[in-house]
Amino acid sequence: AQSVTQLGSHVSVSEGALVLLRCNYSSSVPPYLFWYVQYPNQGLQLLLKYTTGATLVKGINGFEAEFKKSETSFHLTKPSAHMSDAAEYFCAVSDSGSSNTGKLIFGQGTTLQVKP
Amino acid sequence: DTAVSQTPKYLVTQMGNDKSIKCEQNLGHDTMYWYKQDSKKFLKIMFSYNNKELIINETVPNRFSPKSPDKAHLNLHINSLELGDSAVYFCASSRGGAPVYEQYFGPGTRLTVT
Repeated sequence: AQSVTQLGSHVSVSEGALVLLRCNYSSSVPPYLFWYVQYPNQGLQLLLKYTTGATLVKGINGFEAEFKKSETSFHLTKPSAHMSDAAEYFCAVSDSGSSNTGKLIFGQGTTLQVKP
Repeated sequence: DTAVSQTPKYLVTQMGNDKSIKCEQNLGHDTMYWYKQDSKKFLKIMFSYNNKELIINETVPNRFSPKSPDKAHLNLHINSLELGDSAVYFCASSRGGAPVYEQYFGPGTRLTVT
């Protein structure tokens, strides 16, 4: 069975500082990995995804993530935080098997707070 | 134009009632989903339909019944509402059922059962 663990339910950074949100996954087959962002009272929006190919994935709003198979990790980073980045971030995994139905397994989420 | 819309946005009702949440997407997608987000913000898939066919049915009480009248609509009907059903319900859609396709989420319906 697949699972996702996000280390740190709450991360606080200063504006302009590096953002690092941690995600580790468990999967018996090659995973597809995703980061979604949820702004207050809104639905989720895809930031970036890894399916195959290049392990460093660039997404919207200056975010990127690196797939590290040896560490079973897919951490999300941004070099310089903006106030507008304050939101809830979800890491998710799905498997790449042919019988896959598109089911996403989400982590518990990390709240990013950006201080002025 | 809103890509994935849900109605209502807020729903307050009493235990034992039956209620429905409607979802519509105008993206031309083949696959639609229902997710439940609990008070701790944990998200879990409930159902998925591909071309009006049920393809994911998680361990959800049978009080919950999805209905897809056409590819653009996926409604969620809940019978005999319980306090534990209070949550935010999100509808989503994607071009196909494979995970390589991005899922687009609606704004959510906050259900409160009193």
